[in-house]
Amino acid sequence: KAGVTQTPRYLIKTRGQQVTLSCSPISGHRSVSWYQQTPGQGLQFLFEYFSETQRNKGNFPGRFSGRQFSNSRSEMNVSTLELGDSALYLCASSLGQSYNEQFFGPGTRLTVL
Amino acid sequence: GQQLNQSPQSMFIQEGEDVSMNCTSSSIFNTWLWYKQDPGEGPVLLIALYKAGELTSNGRLTAQFGITRKDSFLNISASIPSDVGIYFCAGQSWETSGSRLTFGEGTQLTVNP
Repeated sequence: KAGVTQTPRYLIKTRGQQVTLSCSPISGHRSVSWYQQTPGQGLQFLFEYFSETQRNKGNFPGRFSGRQFSNSRSEMNVSTLELGDSALYLCASSLGQSYNEQFFGPGTRLTVL
Repeated sequence: GQQLNQSPQSMFIQEGEDVSMNCTSSSIFNTWLWYKQDPGEGPVLLIALYKAGELTSNGRLTAQFGITRKDSFLNISASIPSDVGIYFCAGQSWETSGSRLTFGEGTQLTVNP
């Protein structure tokens, strides 16, 4: 069974631009969560989508948004990029019940110049 | 918000030695997970724990879910060079809907051959 895939793997943008990242979960998984990883803040939860609905949200500004499609694939969008948005963005998929483990993709490395 | 304290921050050991790291929390978690992350990759799930007091092994790895539900430890026996990486603990609580994880700061493990 294929794992979680994320595209693109690397991205370079400039301040003020917007960016869209994509995540394809493991087949059969209905939940997709997004995390931001930085050296200073570690792994921080952004939001979770389940059956095309945002089910949980972390403490990030409204510039960070996401959506999920009927095939469970998810996209994350960041508008008006800031230098501090440079990070590794990770997506994780699970079956979606409380006890289900989350499996991570390789991440998208975003650099904002 | 919930905080996870993971220690030690880093460890330098000789090949063949045993390793122990732990996480403590001010809040109760219902699930504890341990992940390993290699540079430029996403975290890989090592062990998942679901019940207080549970002791689970995965090869040379052993992890326990603390009785108070506020802590967990991971042991690695007979370390080998490929054990090098960053190890993260993560907790999931009842108070949080869906599949949200709170991560520790990570333990950087270096194994000298």
